[in-house]
Order: sequence, then structure tokens, then C-alpha cells
Amino acid sequence: DSGVTQTPKHLITATGQRVTLRCSPRSGDLSVYWYQQSLDQGLQFLIQYYNGEERAKGNILERFSAQQFPDLHSELNLSSLELGDSALYFCASSAFAGEENIQYFGAGTRLSVL
Amino acid sequence: GQNIDQPTEMTATEGAIVQINCTYQTSGFNGLFWYQQHAGEAPTFLSYNVLDGLEEKGRFSSFLSRSKGYSYLLLKELQMKDSASYLCAAPGGYNKLIFGAGTRLAVHP
Repeated sequence: DSGVTQTPKHLITATGQRVTLRCSPRSGDLSVYWYQQSLDQGLQFLIQYYNGEERAKGNILERFSAQQFPDLHSELNLSSLELGDSALYFCASSAFAGEENIQYFGAGTRLSVL
Repeated sequence: GQNIDQPTEMTATEGAIVQINCTYQTSGFNGLFWYQQHAGEAPTFLSYNVLDGLEEKGRFSSFLSRSKGYSYLLLKELQMKDSASYLCAAPGGYNKLIFGAGTRLAVHP
């Protein structure tokens, strides 16, 4: 158990809908990362937050947004969902913001868009 | 730019040794990571190399050559449970960690 908690584990929804994925980092970690992993694809970095502020952005679509709250949990919002958004979404956390920090991953949320 | 290359698939026999290679080109360098990921599960941290050389941790060792942009993960005394994908990751600048596509290792009896 990495100590990173993601909910829900599974999400099934329809095209055009909006969903929210939730992540609680390891105790004491200030940085949260979101990744997307499609079937047989590598991990694609979406966005990073550090202590409540956006720190780095990857290939995140405009339909997607995220935030980190004062208690350091984070939410990833996906809207106007398309079939191609079906994927595993992972959250990771690290103690600080730098690239050298080890990232610990949650179990992921499997999103199925029908 | 950032580019990380690893073989797509490898097979090995239980009890054997396997070496998974990774070559990288990144705009900056601050270490290289290896993660293990079983199908449908979370990636789990295996190793982090920031200096050249070999670091051993039980059955798993990781090697880094910064001048060659090259790393490998060495798995000894393979077990069936080692069947998984192995992801190489390197910093890509601006706090991003760039992951390779992963090497799917199949261990057979």
C-alpha cells in the first residue's frame, strides 16, 4: 500500500458527461500528480500541484481540469467526455515538487466512457 | 526534447537473470527511475539512480551511465511474480517525469 488513496476505483459513464476523480496523497506529501494510461499505452503526465498551486502541466486537454485543496487532496475533473477518454487515471504524490522526488502512485481510477 | 526508449517485450525463464535496457534523451537530468507495474495496478517504485554505476537492492539492481544516456534494470533469480511491465522514467524539465512505454516481461517456468 503506497499510502495514496484514489476514489472511485471504477467509473462507468456516458459520452458528454462530467466526472470527478479524487486523490488523497500520502501523509506529509505536498505534491500531487495526475497521469492518464490508456490501454497498452505509457503513463502520460497530465498535471502537477504543489501545496495548492499548479506547478507543471503536461498534455492535459482543455476539457480536463484539476485542483488541490488546502487539506492537500486533489480532484481531477473530466468534462464533455469522449470514448477516447476511457483509461486508467493515476494519482501520485511526493514529498516536494522537484523531479528528483520519488513519486508514489495510487491504485488508480478506471474510467469507462460508453 | 525528451525521449525514452525501452524494448516492448521480453521473456525469461524462472530462476534466470534478465536485463532490461533504457536509453534516454532529456533536456535536463536529475536522476533516472525504475518502476514496476503489474497489469491494471499502480506503478510501484523500484529504484532511483542519480550517479553513474550500479546500485543493488536485493534481487533487483539498476545501472546508470549519464554520459551514454543509458540505464538498465537487472533482475536476478526470476520468479513468476516478476512478470510485469517495467517502466523507465526520467525528468523532462519543468517538474515533469517522462515515462517510457514500458517493457512487458513474461517469466515462464
